[in-house]
Amino acid sequence: AQSVTQPDIHITVSEGASLELRCNYSYGATPYLFWYVQSPGQGLQLLLKYFSGDTLVQGIKGFEAEFKRSQSSFNLRKPSVHWSDAAEYFCAVQETSGSRLTFGEGTQLTVNP
Amino acid sequence: GAVVSQHPSRVICKSGTSVKIECRSLDFQATTMFWYRQFPKQSLMLMATSNEGSKATYEQGVEKDKFLINHASLTLSTLTVTSAHPEDSSFYICSVPRMEGDTQYFGPGTRLTVL
Repeated sequence: AQSVTQPDIHITVSEGASLELRCNYSYGATPYLFWYVQSPGQGLQLLLKYFSGDTLVQGIKGFEAEFKRSQSSFNLRKPSVHWSDAAEYFCAVQETSGSRLTFGEGTQLTVNP
Repeated sequence: GAVVSQHPSRVICKSGTSVKIECRSLDFQATTMFWYRQFPKQSLMLMATSNEGSKATYEQGVEKDKFLINHASLTLSTLTVTSAHPEDSSFYICSVPRMEGDTQYFGPGTRLTVL
C-alpha cells in the first residue's frame, strides 16, 4: 500500500525567509503527487501537482516542488515566505488518475514577522 | 469559482440524532466522489468512495451502517451520520475527481459538532 510521510510536524520561519517542506512517499511505481494547503477551518486548495515530465513543478502563490525519484521525495519550496502562507500543508499521492488520495500527516507552518 | 460545494458548512446536533451532509459537483458530472474525515490537528482520512449507481465502498474500520452514503445523481453525493455521538464530531470533506490526468477538487468541508 502506498504511504506518505511528512517528517516535519511544525515548521517556523521568518517572513521573507526561504521554505522547504519535506515529503517522502512509498510506492512501487511513480504515483501522482500533490501538495495542498489548508487554512484553519477551511477546505483544501491545490498548490501544485506532478504527473509526469519535468520534475520541477511550478504552482500557485510562488510555490514549487521537485520530484526526485531516487529519493522518493516531492519537497515543496518557496524562496520567500509571506505571512499569509501560514497554514497547514499536506502532501498527497494518488496511485492512478481519479483514484483515492493518500495524505501525509501534514506540516503546520508558522510565519514570524 | 467553486467547483465543489458542501452543505451545511457547519452543524451542531444533539447526540442520537442523524445529520445529512451534501456534496455537489457544480461544474462537471462525477461517477465517483470521495468522503474524508479530519480530526483536529490531524490529516485527512478516507472514509468511503461514493459510486453513482452502486453501493459505496467503505474503508476498513468505517461503519457502513453508521455512515450512510448515497450517490443520488452524477452531481450529488450525501453522507448521513446516523445516531451521531460526540466522537463523530469532526471535519468532513468531500472530493470529486474530474477527468483523466486531472486532480481532485475538494469541497469546503462541513464541521460537525455533536453535543
